[in-house]
Amino acid sequence: QLQLQESGPGLVKPSETLSLACTVSGDSISMSTYCWGWIRQPPGKGLEWIGSIYYSGTTYYNPSLKSRVTISEDTSRNQFSLKLNSVTAADTAVYYCARHLWNGVWAFDIWGQGTMVTVSS
Amino acid sequence: QSALTQPASVSGSPGQSITISCTGTSSDVGNYNLVSWYQQHPGKAPKLMIYGVTKRPSGVSDRFSGSKSGNTASLTISGLQAEDEADYYCCSYAGSSTFGVFGGGTKLTVL
Repeated sequence: QLQLQESGPGLVKPSETLSLACTVSGDSISMSTYCWGWIRQPPGKGLEWIGSIYYSGTTYYNPSLKSRVTISEDTSRNQFSLKLNSVTAADTAVYYCARHLWNGVWAFDIWGQGTMVTVSS
Repeated sequence: QSALTQPASVSGSPGQSITISCTGTSSDVGNYNLVSWYQQHPGKAPKLMIYGVTKRPSGVSDRFSGSKSGNTASLTISGLQAEDEADYYCCSYAGSSTFGVFGGGTKLTVL
């Protein structure tokens, strides 16, 4: 059974870089033909797609965040990661990783439980 | 402001049917049959309920159905149950520049 688990610091200082990892169990991200994505949700607000990485390593980013986001994969750890630089309080949110069905679908079918990240000094 | 417009709240009594709308534009909802819907209970991760406008993932009750007309997609829940009380979000592919956009969410209250 496929499971995803986010990990990383819960507190990040303004102007620094937010770094999160998503560990995938039950499937190999290097052997899979799926896409893997990050979505966030500020407290009390809606969902926002951040970006996704294809099994080939190709990345796709939300244009509004593209200048600050990097998504990469570590196949040796069966993980994919998110880096968001120059963070502000507006980046405070629950961050989810998810399996992203892309071709002909564009939906997120398996989600991690989410991890809360607060940006504060 | 979200790219897709949903009503902030809807309500219904057990056994009734409700419909949640999701209005976009000809650049997203109206141009692609790639609308998905998610259910989110408080403190939990979203759950995929509908994809490809009308398709249900395995395990999702057939009380949930999706449709689309023009730039507006809809999620209908029939035979409302207390466990359906949650937030619901729509999402649509929006082309190779924007990629994907979510709605602002709708809080469903089962009276």
